[in-house]
Amino acid sequence: TQLLEQSPQFLSIQEGENLTVYCNSSSVFSSLQWYRQEPGEGPVLLVTVVTGGEVKKLKRLTFQFGDARKDSSLHITAAQPGDTGLYLCAGKARGAGGTSYGKLTFGQGTILTVHP
Amino acid sequence: GAGVSQSPRYKVTKRGQDVALRCDPISGHVSLYWYRQALGQGPEFLTYFNYEAQQDKSGLPNDRFSAERPEGSISTLTIQRTEQRDSAMYRCASSSLVGYEQYFGPGTRLTVT
Repeated sequence: TQLLEQSPQFLSIQEGENLTVYCNSSSVFSSLQWYRQEPGEGPVLLVTVVTGGEVKKLKRLTFQFGDARKDSSLHITAAQPGDTGLYLCAGKARGAGGTSYGKLTFGQGTILTVHP
Repeated sequence: GAGVSQSPRYKVTKRGQDVALRCDPISGHVSLYWYRQALGQGPEFLTYFNYEAQQDKSGLPNDRFSAERPEGSISTLTIQRTEQRDSAMYRCASSSLVGYEQYFGPGTRLTVT
């Protein structure tokens, strides 16, 4: 069973601050995704990382996949109240093939609140 | 275009009753996924389909849970003899092909009393 542990579980910061959310596992993942979910809505994909050491930037968000493909981080620069939401990482297990190829394992999420 | 839709959005049922939750994926999407999500937590995989074939049902908690997608489009998740511990948000997602970006529906909030 692949488990993804996110930290911190809760994050409450002031507008303009920087923050980092971590996603860790003892298992290797072939790819890892980050989602953002707003209250009452379903998760929305932000980014997919597939190569160990890969760094992707999306405006003020920077995503990194660990060299060993067991961990990832999401860094937000100059957070804004609009960044408030539940941030989720999700991974596809390495070697998952056949009927398990479509299975995604989600972390437990990080609830981010950015105060004006 | 229309996104993933689910019905009903809210369902309250008494313990012991059967419930059927419906998911209508994005038109043309091959893969359809079912998840269960507790408040403030990440989705928990239940099962997924490619076309009408159920590929992986390893996440279904027990044999009271079943899912079908008979014509490769709309899917139904059925829970028999519901128990209070089944109360949760049930989410459906679809993707154009297996492993591609998943688009999530608004979910069905199930409450078992």
